[in-house]
Amino acid sequence: AQKVTQAQTEISVVEKEDVTLDCVYETRDTTYYLFWYKQPPSGELVFLIRRNSFDEQNEISGRYSWNFQKSTSSFNFTITASQVVDSAVYFCALSEAGGNTPLVFGKGTRLSVIA
Amino acid sequence: DVKVTQSSRYLVKRTGEKVFLECVQDMDHENMFWYRQDPGLGLRLIYFSYDVKMKEKGDIPEGYSVSREKKERFSLILESASTNQTSMYLCASIVGGNTGELFFGEGSRLTVL
Repeated sequence: AQKVTQAQTEISVVEKEDVTLDCVYETRDTTYYLFWYKQPPSGELVFLIRRNSFDEQNEISGRYSWNFQKSTSSFNFTITASQVVDSAVYFCALSEAGGNTPLVFGKGTRLSVIA
Repeated sequence: DVKVTQSSRYLVKRTGEKVFLECVQDMDHENMFWYRQDPGLGLRLIYFSYDVKMKEKGDIPEGYSVSREKKERFSLILESASTNQTSMYLCASIVGGNTGELFFGEGSRLTVL
């Protein structure tokens, strides 16, 4: 069975600090997809990134970067030079590509960036 | 601009009332989902649908039912609301298959008194 664990429930940082959100997943499939979503205070979840299991290359998008390591079943998300607008709940999710099963989400990490 | 619209952002209902939460998407997506979000529990899947008139139970279907009469509309029904169904409800859709981007509505916050 697939499972996503986000061990950090809440994180608080001061603006301009770097912060890493952890995500550990479990799956028996060799083909799967990992996602990160952001939920700002307005409530609507917003897609950030998708990574398939065959692509372990790290990705950087502006201040955001993602570190995918199959050896540790982790897909961590780092925000560099955090800003107040980064304050949100962040969800990691997993989809197994073989079947048609829905995404499984972690419980989320609430990030508070303090000015 | 693609959109998932949930009919009500905030609802207050009484115990025992029948509650309808409506969700409409304009992207011609096959797959639609209803999640419930509670503090400390993350997103939990209630029901999903991969086609018109088709429905599948998610992880927590008890106390809920759904209806999908048209491709663009997926309704969540609480036959007899209870206080433990006070929550944020999120609708989402995706084009066929579950490996792409999920599009979410803004959520419906339901309070059952």
